[in-house]
Parts: sequence; structure tokens; C-alpha cells
Amino acid sequence: GQSLEQPSEVTAVEGAIVQINCTYQTSGFYGLSWYQQHDGGAPTFLSYNALDGLEETGRFSSFLSRSDSYGYLLLQELQMKDSASYFCAVRDQGTGGFKTIFGAGTRLFVKA
Amino acid sequence: DADVTQTPRNRITKTGKRIMLECSQTKGHDRMYWYRQDPGLGLRLIYYSFDVKDINKGEISDGYSVSRQAQAKFSLSLESAIPNQTALYFCATSDFDRPYEQYFGPGTRLTVT
Repeated sequence: GQSLEQPSEVTAVEGAIVQINCTYQTSGFYGLSWYQQHDGGAPTFLSYNALDGLEETGRFSSFLSRSDSYGYLLLQELQMKDSASYFCAVRDQGTGGFKTIFGAGTRLFVKA
Repeated sequence: DADVTQTPRNRITKTGKRIMLECSQTKGHDRMYWYRQDPGLGLRLIYYSFDVKDINKGEISDGYSVSRQAQAKFSLSLESAIPNQTALYFCATSDFDRPYEQYFGPGTRLTVT
């Protein structure tokens, strides 16, 4: 089967750095995405890793290790507006073609 | 104007009723998706479509059906709604070149009583 695991909640202080981990188990792994969702809003795409290594986009970075079936999202210089839920999502190739499978999400609380 | 729109935004219906949720997009994307979101469960894929003639079941398609009326329109139907279909429903789109980057609509909050 397919599964993704990420912490349910993380709390950090404004200005700090926080890392949200994601481990996955799929049969046809193709890549790992990250999405942000504020309360009452729609998910928005943050990043995608298909190859091992670190991808940086401003204050956000995403890392993938295919051999460890593991990735993380790194948020630097935390701001209050970063308080949101963060979802990792696996792009998986199955019998019906490619599809995206989302984790349950990590709720990030940023404190002043 | 929003690139991905969903109607209605909120709906309360009774058990056994048929209901349709509609999604339209102006992004010109070929791929469209329907997800439901429940607290603590993330987003679960119901159906997805890579073009008008290609529709595929997702993780939780039982009790749902879809119609891709045009490249820009993808509808989700609940033939006979039941209370455990109460959830937040999202439509999403993605482009052929960047299928991993999905654009989500604002969501439809459905309550089945």
C-alpha cells in the first residue's frame, strides 16, 4: 500500500527555523511535493523534488532522499503568517497512471 | 477573476438527495482532480481526469461519479448523499508539463444531514 507520515503539529518561535519531516511508502514513487494551507483557504503549491537534494525557494527549502524514502520542508526566518498546515504529497505511478497522494498534514503554530 | 472556481461554496443537503458540485478553470490545464478533505486525514483523491475522454478513479471513488463536460469543466456528483460524505471538497488542476504543481479551487463545504 501507500502511506505518508508527517508530524501532526509543530510549534516554533517567530524568526526561528523549523523543519517538517515526511516519510513515505509507495510502490511507484516519482517525486515529493509540499503544499501550504491556511485556515479556511485552499492548498497552495510550495515545492517539488524529484531528485535527491535540496531545493531552495526564498525562505522555504525542500529536501529529498529517495534511498531513505524521506523528505523535509525547511522554513527559515519564520513569520506569523507562516502559521498554517503543511502537506507533503507523493507523486506515484500506479496502474491508473500518475496520481498524487497527500499526507495528513502538519499544523505549524508560530509564536511571537 | 479566480483561475479555478467551484460552485456552490457551501451546501447543506439531506440524506438520499442527489447533489452536483461543479468546477471550472481558466488556466487551460488538461488535468483536473477532485479531492475531499476531512480533519486529520488530509486530502484524499476521489477522481481525476487527464483529458475529456480520460477519467480515473482515485482512492475513495465509491459513492461518487464525475463528468468532464469540457476541458475547463469537471463535475462531481453524489448520487445519494449520506452523512459521512460531509466534508470539504476541492477541485484542482495541473498542466501536462508540471503535473505535480496543482492549483486548487476555493473549496465547497458540503453538509449532509
